[in-house]
Amino acid sequence: IAGITQAPTSQILAAGRRMTLRCTQDMRHNAMYWYRQDLGLGLRLIHYSNTAGTTGKGEVPDGYSVSRANTDDFPLTLASAVPSQTSVYFCASSDSAGGLETQYFGPGTRLLVL
Amino acid sequence: GQNIDQPTEMTATEGAIVQINCTYQTSGFNGLFWYQQHAGEAPTFLSYNVLDGLEEKGRFSSFLSRSKGYSYLLLKELQMKDSASYLCAVRDDNYQLIWGAGTKLIIKP
Repeated sequence: IAGITQAPTSQILAAGRRMTLRCTQDMRHNAMYWYRQDLGLGLRLIHYSNTAGTTGKGEVPDGYSVSRANTDDFPLTLASAVPSQTSVYFCASSDSAGGLETQYFGPGTRLLVL
Repeated sequence: GQNIDQPTEMTATEGAIVQINCTYQTSGFNGLFWYQQHAGEAPTFLSYNVLDGLEEKGRFSSFLSRSKGYSYLLLKELQMKDSASYLCAVRDDNYQLIWGAGTKLIIKP
């Protein structure tokens, strides 16, 4: 792998179902992030993790949960999907060792909740 | 509240120059980023400004004025492949990125 991978690429989900979006990075970055991107809106931070074992809430955390058991993986779970969670979800990572801390993005997961 | 403003859409001609503006009001400032996002793809990093002034990187330049809460991205010698959305983001006091909605740039031959 090179960079960040996300799975699945796209998904159609029935409302009320549970879904986990997967994100894996191989850059050994400390920090990881989950964003959602909706038409006409900027990227909105859902949850983040500054280092393995810690997580924090972003701007729009309700209905989502995350875990960070190790450096590489940062799954996002929708416990009971609702149509308003229809969006494109991007995972990102950055090296929070200091300095620029540019965020690098995965290819995204397109989720449709019906 | 925190706010990043950029034009929704701009149109320019191949070979020309275009300037995309971004104004911001955030709780603190720890740098401003510009990202490029082609349709259906992930955002990719273009430039970073933390001090006032112009940063040049090939055909792309980015300017920052912290006192005015203002930045612009300048694209020269436009190519068709520059058709994309350009996202402005500011890192706030919590070291989180606050994102603008993006400017869709359409390049015409």
